[in-house]
Amino acid sequence: AQTVTQSQPEMSVQEAETVTLSCTYDTSESNYYLFWYKQPPSRQMILVIRQEAYKQQNATENRFSVNFQKAAKSFSLKISDSQLGDTAMYFCASGGSNYKLTFGKGTLLTVNP
Amino acid sequence: KAGVTQTPRYLIKTRGQQVTLSCSPISGHRSVSWYQQTPGQGLQFLFEYFSETQRNKGNFPGRFSGRQFSNSRSEMNVSTLELGDSALYLCASSLDRIQETQYFGPGTRLLVL
Repeated sequence: AQTVTQSQPEMSVQEAETVTLSCTYDTSESNYYLFWYKQPPSRQMILVIRQEAYKQQNATENRFSVNFQKAAKSFSLKISDSQLGDTAMYFCASGGSNYKLTFGKGTLLTVNP
Repeated sequence: KAGVTQTPRYLIKTRGQQVTLSCSPISGHRSVSWYQQTPGQGLQFLFEYFSETQRNKGNFPGRFSGRQFSNSRSEMNVSTLELGDSALYLCASSLDRIQETQYFGPGTRLLVL
């Protein structure tokens, strides 16, 4: 079974600053994948970034990067130069060989002008 | 490429009725997954289909069922609706490899009165 925990229900950040969202997970699988999804108020879930567990190098996508600590089962998301459009619910998710994603409860991020 | 589409976008039903939701995946995607999203329970996996076969099912009662057609389009059905079935139902599609990234549709908002 897989579990994903996001310990920060809400966070806020000033525009142009950097913020880090936390996520811890647990899985019995040796080959798994981790994701961060973003769900803006319009409700469309959008992929932010993806990390394969077998890769040691942390994934990056423009202003978004992750800190993947495999031994600690930690997968945090760093957003640099925060923009108003980054305001959304952010979900951490894990997936393995069972064809499903397990999601955390989400972190509501508000970017303030 | 067109994204994942879901119809209808909004639906109001009364207790005891049944409902059918539809999902059209991204062209070329053969895997379709369904998730239920509620404020209390978060995102929960319902089931996943590939080539018209259900490969995995979440922990939901038998009132929840689904199917996939030969063109990869999928439907889910909820019979004997209960108030607690009110939720946002999200469909996601992916390629056929294990844990290929899932891309989500806009969801169907179901309200049960």
